[in-house]
Amino acid sequence: NAGVTQTPKFQVLKTGQSMTLQCAQDMNHEYMSWYRQDPGMGLRLIHYSVGAGITDQGEVPNGYNVSRSTTEDFPLRLLSAAPSQTSVYFCASSYGRHFYNEQFFGPGTRLTVL
Amino acid sequence: SQKIEQNSEALNIQEGKTATLTCNYTNYSPAYLQWYRQDPGRGPVFLLLIRENEKEKRKERLKVTFDTTLKQSLFHITASQPADSATYLCALYNNAGNMLTFGGGTRLMVKP
Repeated sequence: NAGVTQTPKFQVLKTGQSMTLQCAQDMNHEYMSWYRQDPGMGLRLIHYSVGAGITDQGEVPNGYNVSRSTTEDFPLRLLSAAPSQTSVYFCASSYGRHFYNEQFFGPGTRLTVL
Repeated sequence: SQKIEQNSEALNIQEGKTATLTCNYTNYSPAYLQWYRQDPGRGPVFLLLIRENEKEKRKERLKVTFDTTLKQSLFHITASQPADSATYLCALYNNAGNMLTFGGGTRLMVKP
């Protein structure tokens, strides 16, 4: 199993550009989520999904969009990039529909917005 | 407001000693608490989960305690090794929000 994969690994954007961060898992997990990690602030939840067709907002959803058309994929879209979105983004998945289960994280995408 | 605090200063210890990391929280009633390890440039890796009705959990050289009265969890690594050097994150799950909230992490450095 590949586990949780994320692409790209690194990305540089200009302010106002849009892009999609890809996330896929091959463990048939129902639960998937996106976090951003900034120095000294820990991981903050952006959006999550408890199954195909179901998404919900986390702690910091503004400026981001998600959809979940399949169990395997959970892309994160930046609609109009801003320097405040410079961060490391992690996708995670887990069994079942609750966060209390063990989270499996991807390797992360380091995004810089100029 | 809800807050999770981990010591932001790095913890430096000598190989063979026990490392103890702290996770304090306020304005939470967590049902579960998790600990993760994160190496530089990588995603967090799950280590242990402890429930609110459990006082202690062990896994090999790792031990976690959970004191809901003190609102604190302690994470211990016994017989520490240089390979244990990493950042350790605690995360709380609150039934009300179905959300896992992470602390800022503590960096552990084990010197040979």
